[in-house]
Amino acid sequence: SQQGEEDPQALSIQEGENATMNCSYKTSINNLQWYRQNSGRGLVHLILIRSNEREKHSGRLRVTLDTSKKSSSLLITASRAADTASYFCATGELSIQGAQKLVFGQGTRLTINP
Amino acid sequence: DAGITQSPRHKVTETGTPVTLRCHQTENHRYMYWYRQDPGHGLRLIHYSYGVKDTDKGEVSDGYSVSRSKTEDFLLTLESATSSQTSVYFCATYNRSRNTGELFFGEGSRLTVL
Repeated sequence: SQQGEEDPQALSIQEGENATMNCSYKTSINNLQWYRQNSGRGLVHLILIRSNEREKHSGRLRVTLDTSKKSSSLLITASRAADTASYFCATGELSIQGAQKLVFGQGTRLTINP
Repeated sequence: DAGITQSPRHKVTETGTPVTLRCHQTENHRYMYWYRQDPGHGLRLIHYSYGVKDTDKGEVSDGYSVSRSKTEDFLLTLESATSSQTSVYFCATYNRSRNTGELFFGEGSRLTVL
């Protein structure tokens, strides 16, 4: 079963605008991560926010986490054509063996129009 | 970049045949994973490994087996492929000592079962 539900499933905006993607999850988490996937490629880690954090920034990325609502959002500011990709949220928990086990949402397909 | 190489990158096979996908990493990460990606499902964990000869099941392990005889190699085997196993398979690694929580992904292996 999927942990994360992402919204919207697809988003198309003009270059220079901000893009916001949302993720909701169901159970308690250790951390929440966002990944990016270019078409036909593997996933690349963008940012991690721990369950005791509320907001985190990395360059043009801003992630928020609301554990009371079990939701997170990813904001990409001043979007560029190169930001066109699919974005996935993933909730993380550690297994008893210390493995980081991620459960992914279905993803948001972001298209930046020049 | 964890130096992850997946092989083969593309494979077409027939129902009932055995298939083995290989994941090779050069970074000496302890933890390795196999995920499958399907439209509408995001990525789902099949199996993971927490050391040589140490593996555990993920969310969708039925019909799959894995083996890890060396730190650098993690094999995924479909003993008798079915059409429902048509998917893109991703290998990932995790370096717990960095304490960043991120997984590093390979480029994927696209499997088509006819």
